[in-house]
Amino acid sequence: ETGVTQSPTHLIKTRGQQVTLRCSSQSGHNTVSWYQQALGQGPQFIFQYYREEENGRGNFPPRFSGLQFPNYSSELNVNALELDDSALYLCASSPTPKSSGNTIYFGEGSWLTVV
Amino acid sequence: GESVGLHLPTLSVQEGDNSIINCAYSNSASDYFIWYKQESGKGPQFIIDIRSNMDKRQGQRVTVLLNKTVKHLSLQIAATQPGDSAVYFCADAPVQGSGNTPLVFGKGTRLSVIA
Repeated sequence: ETGVTQSPTHLIKTRGQQVTLRCSSQSGHNTVSWYQQALGQGPQFIFQYYREEENGRGNFPPRFSGLQFPNYSSELNVNALELDDSALYLCASSPTPKSSGNTIYFGEGSWLTVV
Repeated sequence: GESVGLHLPTLSVQEGDNSIINCAYSNSASDYFIWYKQESGKGPQFIIDIRSNMDKRQGQRVTVLLNKTVKHLSLQIAATQPGDSAVYFCADAPVQGSGNTPLVFGKGTRLSVIA
């Protein structure tokens, strides 16, 4: 158990729809990062939230957006879903924005299928 | 851009043998490396990490070796067990000043343990 919980675990959406994925970080961790993992690939960094603000972004379009709440939990929103958005979406929490020296814990992920 | 890659996509070992999983990284400024284990349908599980000021670090049945000269990282698993069957990812956290340092993952190596 990592203390990072994600919901829902699985969902199916239709192309063009919107989806919201949720993450509760490990107790005491103020930083949440989201990653997308396509089948057979390694996770790819989407963005990071720290102190309720976006604190860095990977190579993902603006239709990928997020929020972080005062309790450090976070949401990932994806608008205008495309078939290629089908992936495992992982949430990771850490005590600071820097990866170096911090043990970064991942949740079990949310499997999104776009049809 | 920077990349983290793996030499072998699959590795099969006999139960009880030692396993060695290799990883190459390209960013010479990277200072932190992590190995994750990912079982089917689950999120990445932290195994062991190492800072760039170290050459070797040992955990329970696992050892990580870092060769900064050739930018190579390896994970050694002693007395491999069926429960070790999974995909193993190395990840790199490059130094980026005061900003966030997201993890950069390779594609992964699938370890299959033959009983």
